[in-house]
Amino acid sequence: QQQVKQSPQSLIVQKGGISIINCAYENTAFDYFPWYQQFPGKGPALLIAIRPDVSEKKEGRFTISFNKSAKQFSLHIMDSQPGDSATYFCAASHSGGYQKVTFGTGTKLQVIP
Amino acid sequence: EAQVTQNPRYLITVTGKKLTVTCSQNMNHEYMSWYRQDPGLGLRQIYYSMNVEVTDKGDVPEGYKVSRKEKRNFPLILESPSPNQTSLYFCASRYAGGEQYFGPGTRLTVT
Repeated sequence: QQQVKQSPQSLIVQKGGISIINCAYENTAFDYFPWYQQFPGKGPALLIAIRPDVSEKKEGRFTISFNKSAKQFSLHIMDSQPGDSATYFCAASHSGGYQKVTFGTGTKLQVIP
Repeated sequence: EAQVTQNPRYLITVTGKKLTVTCSQNMNHEYMSWYRQDPGLGLRQIYYSMNVEVTDKGDVPEGYKVSRKEKRNFPLILESPSPNQTSLYFCASRYAGGEQYFGPGTRLTVT
């Protein structure tokens, strides 16, 4: 059972454009929503994360938008650069017990000059 | 340098030949996990450990074993590998409630 659905599977954006990746979750107990960035040959690394008490979090060119009622959250990359080309994973977890992290299926982003 | 290390990074083996992928972290993290990454399926958790001698199954544990005899080490054991275990494997560690740190990955091919 996939509890975090991510789209699109792949994305091509021109340099300077906005990249948008969407995720939807089912488990209302989730209360932590991180995004991971993975470059080829590397492990995923935490990019930015949000908790449901806020609707938006911005760090530099990266913004998470969160819609609790719709159970959806998205990553926006402003002024996308070729160096942003990577695979992005959304994820979700809840505070209880082990706090297992459930990942989306990933989005391969290519930013072309 | 704080890091999670995995060995080997690449491994080609044959069906049924037992293998171990090692994982070590130097951050004194309580929690450690193993994931496999497959195209279109994202990262799926195989096993996790909340502390020494405390392990539990993740989403896809069949065909795998783990042990946690020391806090820093969390090896993944495939006692009889099969071709459907060909995948990219990641070890990860974190404090309770903290950021998860991933190793560099082990690409396994089972023929």
